[in-house]
Amino acid sequence: EAGVVQSPRYKIIEKKQPVAFWCNPISGHNTLYWYRQNLGQGPELLIRYENEEAVDDSQLPKDRFSAERLKGVDSTLKIQPAELGDSAVYLCASSSILDTQYFGPGTRLTVL
Amino acid sequence: QQQVKQSPQSLIVQKGGISIINCAYENTAFDYFPWYQQFPGKGPALLIAIRPDVSEKKEGRFTISFNKSAKQFSLHIMDSQPGDSATYFCAATQGAQKLVFGQGTRLTINP
Repeated sequence: EAGVVQSPRYKIIEKKQPVAFWCNPISGHNTLYWYRQNLGQGPELLIRYENEEAVDDSQLPKDRFSAERLKGVDSTLKIQPAELGDSAVYLCASSSILDTQYFGPGTRLTVL
Repeated sequence: QQQVKQSPQSLIVQKGGISIINCAYENTAFDYFPWYQQFPGKGPALLIAIRPDVSEKKEGRFTISFNKSAKQFSLHIMDSQPGDSATYFCAATQGAQKLVFGQGTRLTINP
């Protein structure tokens, strides 16, 4: 069974530029999560989807971050414009209802 | 109240020794406590998990000990091997919603 797929794996951009990350969850997983992991810290949830509905986006900086999960499968997380402090690893995870969360390899973002 | 506190921040253990990592939480509504292992450049991978209705769970060389009254849980790695060198995160969640992670422990196993 394929795991959570994320792309790109690495992204380097200038500040104020836009950037987007893509996630394909494990087949059949209804719940999709986006986490941000700063260097040397544990991941922190940005947004959680149940199918195509964002059910917890309380930690998403909505002035510059947006996310979508069209058709309840793939998801895209966007930052516009990026700031220096956005440099981090962006992790996508998925799970069946009330089950273990499985993480993708992440996208390492560097904002210069 | 949503925090999970993890210690130590880093740990060095000799090959064959026992590695112990501790976590404490405040939110008594948490009902699932997983441990994740993360290698450099990889996403966190589930190692072992426990629910608060049991005090211990063992899978191979990995054991979780859970103390509900003290609101603490720990990971024990027996016969630690160089391949166990990684960063370990404890976490907690309520109803499989967001995982609240500890700060992580960088474990180094010396050969």
